[in-house]
Amino acid sequence: GIQVEQSPPDLILQEGANSTLRCNFSDSVNNLQWFHQNPWGQLINLFYIPSGTKQNGRLSATTVATERYSLLYISSSQTTDSGVYFCAVRRNTGANSKLTFGKGITLSVRP
Amino acid sequence: GAGVSQSPSNKVTEKGKDVELRCDPISGHTALYWYRQSLGQGLEFLIYFQGNSAPDKSGLPSDRFSAERTGGSVSTLTIQRTQQEDSAVYLCASSSLGGGSGMGTEAFFGQGTRLTVV
Repeated sequence: GIQVEQSPPDLILQEGANSTLRCNFSDSVNNLQWFHQNPWGQLINLFYIPSGTKQNGRLSATTVATERYSLLYISSSQTTDSGVYFCAVRRNTGANSKLTFGKGITLSVRP
Repeated sequence: GAGVSQSPSNKVTEKGKDVELRCDPISGHTALYWYRQSLGQGLEFLIYFQGNSAPDKSGLPSDRFSAERTGGSVSTLTIQRTQQEDSAVYLCASSSLGGGSGMGTEAFFGQGTRLTVV
């Protein structure tokens, strides 16, 4: 099946710093999503971004589908950004529609 | 409904008992997914429904696990003869389309059911 690798596995930032989270995948995809799992375990949708660039406030994401990677940018980080960030993809085939998740990036933002 | 709803939020059961977990997807969403997340781990795929059929059930860990979906809406995940290793958060997601056409659409998750087997 498709492989999804996220890096770095852990990240510690000082409040106000910027960061880039990376997601590499091993096959062509028709769906890529970034999620933030908050301390209560809820998965919050950040971006649905199978290709191109999107921005939402301090967060933005870029997916280069031809090169099989996506980047999530966090600017001016806040303590509330702490948690686990997951990338999930769906292969570009009709036969298999499950979302495959990476192992996540644990972000800690310190005041 | 407005979002994906799962019940119960928490379930504590004795080893060997059967449990049923419920997922109510977003209205109109034809695709429904079950995942499992053990403590500190990533998300493990269990089963995918398109309508009432399950074209991919490859992630069900054993024959103690089964799932059904009726009316193209509510789904129930049943775990028979629960074991301590079944303790995890069980997450359900839905999306408006999945597979077949090859189109991908955004999936939304419920808040999960935390299962503890004692």
